[in-house]
Amino acid sequence: EDQVTQSPEALRLQEGESSSLNCSYTVSGLRGLFWYRQDPGKGPEFLFTLYSAGEEKEKERLKATLTKKESFLHITAPKPEDSATYLCAVQAATSGTYKYIFGTGTRLKVLA
Amino acid sequence: ETGVTQTPRHLVMGMTNKKSLKCEQHLGHNAMYWYKQSAKKPLELMFVYNFKEQTENNSVPSRFSPECPNSSHLFLHLHTLQPEDSALYLCASSQDPSWETQYFGPGTRLLVL
Repeated sequence: EDQVTQSPEALRLQEGESSSLNCSYTVSGLRGLFWYRQDPGKGPEFLFTLYSAGEEKEKERLKATLTKKESFLHITAPKPEDSATYLCAVQAATSGTYKYIFGTGTRLKVLA
Repeated sequence: ETGVTQTPRHLVMGMTNKKSLKCEQHLGHNAMYWYKQSAKKPLELMFVYNFKEQTENNSVPSRFSPECPNSSHLFLHLHTLQPEDSALYLCASSQDPSWETQYFGPGTRLLVL
């Protein structure tokens, strides 16, 4: 069964305390892995797309990496404005159809 | 307006009411989606439209009825909902449903009493 699991469920960091969020997946026919940021009461905001193992993408304090089984979202020296829920999703291709599978997210709180 | 817009942003309705949610995308995309987001659950894909044609319906109850009059507009018609249907309803669009990432609207927060 195709599945996406994110950990931890929640994370509290002090400002400047670097850490990583994990997204592990078991899908057939991976076409892409996506990271989104979601603020309370708002829709997800696209951050990164990763297509193949070994690929890395960076944006400000965030860096996303991909292996054959999981992806990490590294947050370097976070600031309070980085507080949000981070969602991981995979797009899988099965028998000519495509589907998105989302994880439940990691709620990040960065304390000043 | 840019991106994906949704109206209303908040909606309270009784179980016997009929209401509609509206989504509009200004990105020139061809695919549009409805999702349901409930607390502590993954985003649930409800419907997919590609070039105005419904291509996916993930076993959604018939009390939810989508309509896509053109590739820029998407509606979700609601009738005789249940309290467990209370959630954030998100609309998204992408260039096409086969390869590109989706861009989300801000959502409609629905409360069914």
